[in-house]
Amino acid sequence: QQQVKQSPQSLIVQKGGISIINCAYENTAFDYFPWYQQFPGKGPALLIAIRPDVSEKKEGRFTISFNKSAKQFSLHIMDSQPGDSATYFCAAPTGGGNKLTFGTGTQLKVEL
Amino acid sequence: DAGVIQSPRHEVTEMGQEVTLRCKPISGHDYLFWYRQTMMRGLELLIYFNNNVPIDDSGMPEDRFSAKMPNASFSTLKIQPSEPRDSAVYFCASSLQTSGADTQYFGPGTRLTVL
Repeated sequence: QQQVKQSPQSLIVQKGGISIINCAYENTAFDYFPWYQQFPGKGPALLIAIRPDVSEKKEGRFTISFNKSAKQFSLHIMDSQPGDSATYFCAAPTGGGNKLTFGTGTQLKVEL
Repeated sequence: DAGVIQSPRHEVTEMGQEVTLRCKPISGHDYLFWYRQTMMRGLELLIYFNNNVPIDDSGMPEDRFSAKMPNASFSTLKIQPSEPRDSAVYFCASSLQTSGADTQYFGPGTRLTVL
């Protein structure tokens, strides 16, 4: 069973700062690594995902960096804003590649 | 599209009662997933369907839990009898996957409280 280790558990960042969340996975033969964002009282929603034929993917202020040899990937949020305050989950494919195992989540708070 | 629809949004019941959670996936999506979210265990996959057929129910915690998908636009998750430790937020998600994992679209969830 795929294990996905996510850190840190919580993170406080000042407005305008960089938020960095890390994930490590065990094994996967499938290349699809997403990050989901969840606001209180809502379901998780896809934020950004990478299919690692590239080592980095950027969408606006959000960047995924992927290190296949280390089996690690990270989410960078540049110029963090209070509206980014949410819980972030990484995930990795498992069980034949059609399902995802989620990390334990990182609660991000961006302070003014 | 209205997205994934779940009902009820909140359910409060007493221990021993039957609970049925409902989900309508996004039209055209061929995968449907049921998750449970708690502070202690995070986001756990309970079961998933492909083209209305249950593919993997290894995450279903006990025989008290059952799930069905009678057609492409409806699925239920039933707990009978319910216990206080079943209290959690239950999410349904759907996906259109052509080759391997892809974006899952989550519903708003059902917050279940078992007294």
